[in-house]
Amino acid sequence: DQQVKQNSPSLSVQEGRISILNCDYTNSMFDYFLWYKKYPAEGPTFLISISSIKDKNEDGRFTVFLNKSAKHLSLHIVPSQPGDSAVYFCAASAGAAGNKLTFGGGTRVLVKP
Amino acid sequence: NAGVMQNPRHLVRRRGQEARLRCSPMKGHSHVYWYRQLPEEGLKFMVYLQKENIIDESGMPKERFSAEFPKEGPSILRIQQVVRGDSAAYFCASSPPRVGAKNIQYFGAGTRLSVL
Repeated sequence: DQQVKQNSPSLSVQEGRISILNCDYTNSMFDYFLWYKKYPAEGPTFLISISSIKDKNEDGRFTVFLNKSAKHLSLHIVPSQPGDSAVYFCAASAGAAGNKLTFGGGTRVLVKP
Repeated sequence: NAGVMQNPRHLVRRRGQEARLRCSPMKGHSHVYWYRQLPEEGLKFMVYLQKENIIDESGMPKERFSAEFPKEGPSILRIQQVVRGDSAAYFCASSPPRVGAKNIQYFGAGTRLSVL
């Protein structure tokens, strides 16, 4: 059972425009959500996170939105830059169930100059 | 650089051999996690350890796989009698003790295991 899903395997966006990445989850026990960025042959790099008690968190060009009723979160990158081209993973954890992170399948973002 | 260190970066083994993957957490981090990524898939949790203790091994295959995090030295993920299906990227992550719901894990560059 896939508890965290990223339904768009890829996304292409023009430099300077907004990138919107989506993530859906099914486990209502998840209380902390994270986005990671991954380049080929490297490990995931932490980008931004949000607790379930919030609906928005912003850090520079990155904003994460959480809609608990819809069990949906999104990552906005604005403006998009060529260096943002990477695979982005959504992840979630449920405090009561321990520390493990459950990952989505990833979305490959290509930012065109 | 006090990041999560994994070695080797690449490991080639023949079927039936043993694979040992090492991970040194970030300085000050006492929690270590191992994840596996198959091609074109997301990362899958394997095991969570603290010093000398396995806290959660719910993602570990029942046979051939084991993990440890000794009092001294790196965490080790050990795969005995490797099979071709074990070929994957294995990532280690570390974190400080959890504060409330906050659970940020920092990842190493991974070990890419190829089984011939």
